[in-house]
Amino acid sequence: ETGVTQTPRHLVMGMTNKKSLKCEQHLGHNAMYWYKQSAKKPLELMFVYSLEERVENNSVPSRFSPECPNSSHLFLHLHTLQPEDSALYLCASSQRDRGLAGAIKETQYFGPGTRLLVL
Amino acid sequence: EDQVTQSPEALRLQEGESSSLNCSYTVSGLRGLFWYRQDPGKGPEFLFTLYSAGEEKEKERLKATLTKKESFLHITAPKPEDSATYLCAVRNQGGSEKLVFGKGTKLTVNP
Repeated sequence: ETGVTQTPRHLVMGMTNKKSLKCEQHLGHNAMYWYKQSAKKPLELMFVYSLEERVENNSVPSRFSPECPNSSHLFLHLHTLQPEDSALYLCASSQRDRGLAGAIKETQYFGPGTRLLVL
Repeated sequence: EDQVTQSPEALRLQEGESSSLNCSYTVSGLRGLFWYRQDPGKGPEFLFTLYSAGEEKEKERLKATLTKKESFLHITAPKPEDSATYLCAVRNQGGSEKLVFGKGTKLTVNP
């Protein structure tokens, strides 16, 4: 496997189900991200993990629970979702390094996404 | 608040017909402008990063340029395989890891 992989690629769940999305990065990066992409909307950042520590949480409802057990794996645990949570969930990774003059130069690389449908 | 506006929303070209996509941004200190390509049902694929006004980068038929207020993605003699949605994103100097994305431009190149 190369790059960033995500499983499953498609998921249909009822509002009372509990499921998990998995992301694995094979790039040796030290930061991982969850994004949500809904139709006609820009990508929205949900969570950021750097060195396995959550550094950002963009006011995401508690029915989404991230977990980062190590720098290569990231999970998004889902429970009691709503139909409006149906979207493409994208995982990304990057290498957080400091370039000259303290500027952080990094590029985020994305996985293929999980298409989630909540019924 | 940082904002990114991409235009047009959709663009239809004939094969070989060159054009440009626009990304206008408002950001409190630009720390990078990113272009991605996204095919249907797939994740965004990284194309370019630009850091300062006047910077240009090229890859095959694509060329990205940056000014203090906007970036252009020029497509020269496009082919049908260039059809995709092109996303623009910016990062500010505030120390956040957040990328602010535009809604994208859907490009269709007809043979």
